[in-house]
Amino acid sequence: AQKITQTQPGMFVQEKEAVTLDCTYDTSDQSYGLFWYKQPSSGEMIFLIYQGSYDEQNATEGRYSLNFQKARKSANLVISASQLGDSAMYFCAMRASNNAGKSTFGDGTTLTVKP
Amino acid sequence: DSGVTQTPKHLITATGQRVTLRCSPRSGDLSVYWYQQSLDQGLQFLIQYYNGEERAKGNILERFSAQQFPDLHSELNLSSLELGDSALYFCASSPRTGELEETQYFGPGTRLLVL
Repeated sequence: AQKITQTQPGMFVQEKEAVTLDCTYDTSDQSYGLFWYKQPSSGEMIFLIYQGSYDEQNATEGRYSLNFQKARKSANLVISASQLGDSAMYFCAMRASNNAGKSTFGDGTTLTVKP
Repeated sequence: DSGVTQTPKHLITATGQRVTLRCSPRSGDLSVYWYQQSLDQGLQFLIQYYNGEERAKGNILERFSAQQFPDLHSELNLSSLELGDSALYFCASSPRTGELEETQYFGPGTRLLVL
């Protein structure tokens, strides 16, 4: 079984500053992927970034980077230079290679960017 | 716009009724996924279809069923509806069978309210 834990229900960050959203996971699988999604108030789910369990380097996508610490089973999302449009709910998710179609999601973190 | 379309956007119905949610994947995508997002259960994977065949199954109730048609669109049927079925139902699609690194593109969702 897989489990994702996001311990921060809500976070605040000042515009233009960086923010880290925490995610820890639990799995007995050796091969898995970790994902972050953004859900604005409009409701759609937007894929942000992916990290494979065997990837040696942390993933980056523009202002998003994933701080992957395999031994600690953490996959924190770092958003640099926050913008007002970053205000949204953020979900961490994982999939295992032996059942890669099935995603397990955390409860999400609501990020509010202050001007 | 992810390229995934879902109809209807909103649906209001009564307990005991049956509804059908429709999803059209991105052009060329062979896999379709269904998710349920509710306040008490969070975001849960329901089922995946690949090229017309069921490929992965999650926490889908027996009252729910899905299928993928030859033109690759998919329908999620919800029957004997209960108040607790009120949720946002997402469809997502991906190009192939759903390997780890495959991005899933989410539709805008269908918001179901059971009264």
